[in-house]
Amino acid sequence: GAGVSQSPRYKVTKRGQDVALRCDPISGHVSLYWYRQALGQGPEFLTYFNYEAQQDKSGLPNDRFSAERPEGSISTLTIQRTEQRDSAMYRCASSFGIGTFNTEAFFGQGTRLTVV
Amino acid sequence: SQQGEEDPQALSIQEGENATMNCSYKTSINNLQWYRQNSGRGLVHLILIRSNEREKHSGRLRVTLDTSKKSSSLLITASRAADTASYFCATGPYNQGGKLIFGQGTELSVKP
Repeated sequence: GAGVSQSPRYKVTKRGQDVALRCDPISGHVSLYWYRQALGQGPEFLTYFNYEAQQDKSGLPNDRFSAERPEGSISTLTIQRTEQRDSAMYRCASSFGIGTFNTEAFFGQGTRLTVV
Repeated sequence: SQQGEEDPQALSIQEGENATMNCSYKTSINNLQWYRQNSGRGLVHLILIRSNEREKHSGRLRVTLDTSKKSSSLLITASRAADTASYFCATGPYNQGGKLIFGQGTELSVKP
């Protein structure tokens, strides 16, 4: 596709359920990033991949959060046993180069997660 | 934790005026980037300035970077109503190549 695609756009889930958020990066982009954004705040880094390798997961809040990118393209962010504090906009981004040294990141429209 | 801090938090100007937003950060960086977010939309990249650059222009945008003061500014000249959005600075920390650390943002309102 022309841009970074995320699905679903909106997800409402009950507390305690697991959710999987999908990101389809721009074709050919090497790096993929996950961010979380609360209302009125800037995006907060969660994790990033170069190809299929997870390079940095220091931003994942706890072990209920995990991410994978098994074939170096599509990525899934999984949240297990969701809690209300997990409610936020989850944004995915990709970049052509390795990391963000000197290359811009292209962001998707995000998945709005609401845990009730 | 967020290291970028934008100033002011909110700015309201008339169409045609210039808008200046500032960003401060704490650690050494590879680069600094500015993004725009319209209400309900995604983040759009505006401009990237490397740590060895001091000034960069793109259309009506002018970005400066002062690494000694760990600060940057974004100037939008001849503003338009369509420039109304939130503006975020994001730093790429030195030796942490994949991470962008975003500030809290400046909410710009341009009145026709």
